[in-house]
Amino acid sequence: EVQLVESGGAVVQPGGSLRLSCAASGFTFSRYEMNWVRQAPGKGLEWISYISGSGSPTFYADSVKGRFIISRDNAKNSLFLQMNSLRVEDTAVYYCARGEVMDPYDYWGQGTLVTVSS
Amino acid sequence: EIVMTQSPATLSVSPGERATLSCRASQNVNSNLAWYQQKLGQGPRLLIFYASTRATGIPARFSGSGSGTDFTLTISSLQPEDLAVYYCQQYNNWPRLTFGQGTKVEI
Repeated sequence: EVQLVESGGAVVQPGGSLRLSCAASGFTFSRYEMNWVRQAPGKGLEWISYISGSGSPTFYADSVKGRFIISRDNAKNSLFLQMNSLRVEDTAVYYCARGEVMDPYDYWGQGTLVTVSS
Repeated sequence: EIVMTQSPATLSVSPGERATLSCRASQNVNSNLAWYQQKLGQGPRLLIFYASTRATGIPARFSGSGSGTDFTLTISSLQPEDLAVYYCQQYNNWPRLTFGQGTKVEI
């Protein structure tokens, strides 16, 4: 059974940093491309980052480009999102999702909440 | 960016009735359109991809149609467990996939 479990969400002050993790199981992680998607409270879904199975290339939404870094450790079946220079508008539930080039996201985690507040 | 617009925002349906949800793209996305179901406190679940193909394990009461810019998700006989928010997503403009704002289905 495919499982994606996010962790690392917390309350952080504006300008701070946070690292999210996503533990994958039930499939050969290194063969799949992965994404981060976020959902602000009471709002819709926003794609924010993609990484290939090998770790390169990576892509970012304009809203996070230059502040967030996506990475992965295939030996540990783990996906990461390093979030720097956090803003109040980054407050959201962050999901990891499996999704290939020109395909939808077939599996999602349950999400982890990031709150940016002073 | 391709803007996805869903209607209605909220749909109230009685159990056993048909529910019809609409999604419109601001430009042609061919058939690269997916539908997701999100229940309260959970991550989204893939229902439909390529506009009309049901994902693994999805009941036959869920069906999708459309191509180009106009798409429809139909739940033929609503069940109480179908209470959720439904999102459409275009994946034609990869990697900048975009979602609609969602339709909340109330029982």
